[in-house]
Amino acid sequence: GNSVTQMEGPVTLSEEAFLTINCTYTATGYPSLFWYVQYPGEGLQLLLKATKADDKGSNKGFEATYRKETTSFHLEKGSVQVSDSAVYFCALSDQAGGYQKVTFGIGTKLQVIP
Amino acid sequence: EPEVTQTPSHQVTQMGQEVILRCVPISNHLYFYWYRQILGQKVEFLVSFYNNEISEKSEIFDDQFSVERPDGSNFTLKIRSTKLEDSAMYFCASSATDRDTDTQYFGPGTRLTVL
Repeated sequence: GNSVTQMEGPVTLSEEAFLTINCTYTATGYPSLFWYVQYPGEGLQLLLKATKADDKGSNKGFEATYRKETTSFHLEKGSVQVSDSAVYFCALSDQAGGYQKVTFGIGTKLQVIP
Repeated sequence: EPEVTQTPSHQVTQMGQEVILRCVPISNHLYFYWYRQILGQKVEFLVSFYNNEISEKSEIFDDQFSVERPDGSNFTLKIRSTKLEDSAMYFCASSATDRDTDTQYFGPGTRLTVL
């Protein structure tokens, strides 16, 4: 079956630090890959996505590249802000069973301190 | 920007009671989903729904669960007789298509607490 593995955290960084959250996946088919973010008290919001190998998804200064050879989709940001404090979920979507289903990682809590 | 909405934001119920969680998907979307997240655990797929039928369900989605689209806008999840282990955050999602390249848009969630 499909699975997503990401670092659990929490990750604590100072403002303007570089962020990497690792994500690797296992899939039976050729999935699309996503990062969702959950700010305190809010729902899951799409942050970025990539649908094929070597695609780079980007949004709000965050980037992730679909690496099929290493089955990875690591999230990076060059300079984090306090407002980036949230839980980040790596996820994949495929239609292996005929219908789309999203498989999530455990989520990584990021805390950015001033 | 269109968004998925869910009500209530927090539901507290006694074990054995029935609960209905409500969702309003994005208006032009045709595919609907429920997920849940038990505290400290992964977000897990429960069920997908299309054309007034369940299209796929997980092993979690047993006979105690049901889904319905009672009108043109709402999508509901019913738990007939709640158990303590049903306590979780429940997320509704919708998508325009069922292609894996398409994004599922999630609501803010309903926190269900079973006492």
